[in-house]
Amino acid sequence: SAVISQKPSRDICQRGTSLTIQCQVDSQVTMMFWYRQQPGQSLTLIATANQGSEATYESGFVIDKFPISRPNLTFSTLTVSNMSPEDSSIYLCSVEVAGETDTQYFGPGTRLTVL
Amino acid sequence: AQTVTQSQPEMSVQEAETVTLSCTYDTSENNYYLFWYKQPPSRQMILVIRQEAYKQQNATENRFSVNFQKAAKSFSLKISDSQLGDTAMYFCAFMKQRDYKLSFGAGTTVTVRA
Repeated sequence: SAVISQKPSRDICQRGTSLTIQCQVDSQVTMMFWYRQQPGQSLTLIATANQGSEATYESGFVIDKFPISRPNLTFSTLTVSNMSPEDSSIYLCSVEVAGETDTQYFGPGTRLTVL
Repeated sequence: AQTVTQSQPEMSVQEAETVTLSCTYDTSENNYYLFWYKQPPSRQMILVIRQEAYKQQNATENRFSVNFQKAAKSFSLKISDSQLGDTAMYFCAFMKQRDYKLSFGAGTTVTVRA
């Protein structure tokens, strides 16, 4: 497994602003992902964060709204842009660890509330 | 697209008793993985157990075990000797081999009573 941290753990933001969420892993990982969990719902994959290239987005998610960076093998950021109350969710990063293919471990999540 | 169904929104169990959570899935794939994740109120998603579809033997992790029925596309989780710390939302998830995309069920809330 891996130790995964996310910052911030929670935030309350005003509509129209943007928030950047950081995900840091204590070891090199092969894959990093970002998920959204809306209130009372299950998890939905937003995108795969690719090192050194543009992220791969799932249907319904676009780069302008959720820009993602991954400058190295252990760090990624997700920005939620031009926020509205509908963006209030828990955002989680997950990683696939080298040597444990096809298994994802999750970070502690960031609880975002948009007023 | 794969569909994962958890038909029990909530389950309650007495401490030290056993509870079984159901999960069914729909796929045309032959090689895939199934998972159970636990999400306590702290919201951290914790991997409980992993099953490879090509393995007939059911996976176990301490007090957690699964009943994997590939033909029936069923993947239930049994929690034995339930503890208060088992109180959480439990999600069943499916992944095609080398696809990276996890498909989650709606979740089952488990409450362990003292």
